[in-house]
Amino acid sequence: EVQVVESGGGLVQPGRSLRLSCTVSGFTFRAYAMSWFRQAPGKGLEWVGFIRSRAYDVTTEYAASVQGRFSISRDDSRSIAYLQMNSLETEDTAVYYCSRVNDILTGYPSDYWGQGTLVTVSS
Amino acid sequence: DIQMTQSPSTLAAFVGDRVTITCRTSQRISGWLAWYQHHPGKAPKLLIYKASTLESGVPSRFSGSASGTEFTLTISSLQPDDSATYYCQQYYTYPWTFGQGTKVEI
Repeated sequence: EVQVVESGGGLVQPGRSLRLSCTVSGFTFRAYAMSWFRQAPGKGLEWVGFIRSRAYDVTTEYAASVQGRFSISRDDSRSIAYLQMNSLETEDTAVYYCSRVNDILTGYPSDYWGQGTLVTVSS
Repeated sequence: DIQMTQSPSTLAAFVGDRVTITCRTSQRISGWLAWYQHHPGKAPKLLIYKASTLESGVPSRFSGSASGTEFTLTISSLQPDDSATYYCQQYYTYPWTFGQGTKVEI
């Protein structure tokens, strides 16, 4: 059974950093790209970023709203994807979701998602 | 960025009704559009990808179609568990973008 579990959320002050983890099981993590999304209170889903597998050089893509502040990495030996969030702003307050990207090259997008972890940025 | 215009924002229907949600994209995306169902506090669930391909395990009452830059999600016979928010998403180009969501009430 595929499982995707986010962790690391919490309350953080503006300007500080936080790292989220996405721990997966039930599939060969190293073979898949992973993506992060978020949902601010009362708002819709927003894409945050994406990390390709080692087969595609572990390259990344980011939304403009987080470019330069957030970074995504992965540890294939532990089946974990990370979202490092620096210089946090109150507008980053949201539930953050991690997902497996099945095969974007053939048009198969995020298929398995976690239930999310809440990040609250407030003084 | 590709803009996504999803409508309606909310809809109320009865069990057994046929329901249609529309998503328009600001440019052609070669059918690279997904529909997700999201219950509050739960993980979003992939329903449809490549505009009309039903994800494995998703009930056949869900279907997707496309015509140019207009995409449609249809629920042929609404069920109580279908009460949720539905989002369209394009993944043709970065940044991936979502529609504003449609809240379906039973």
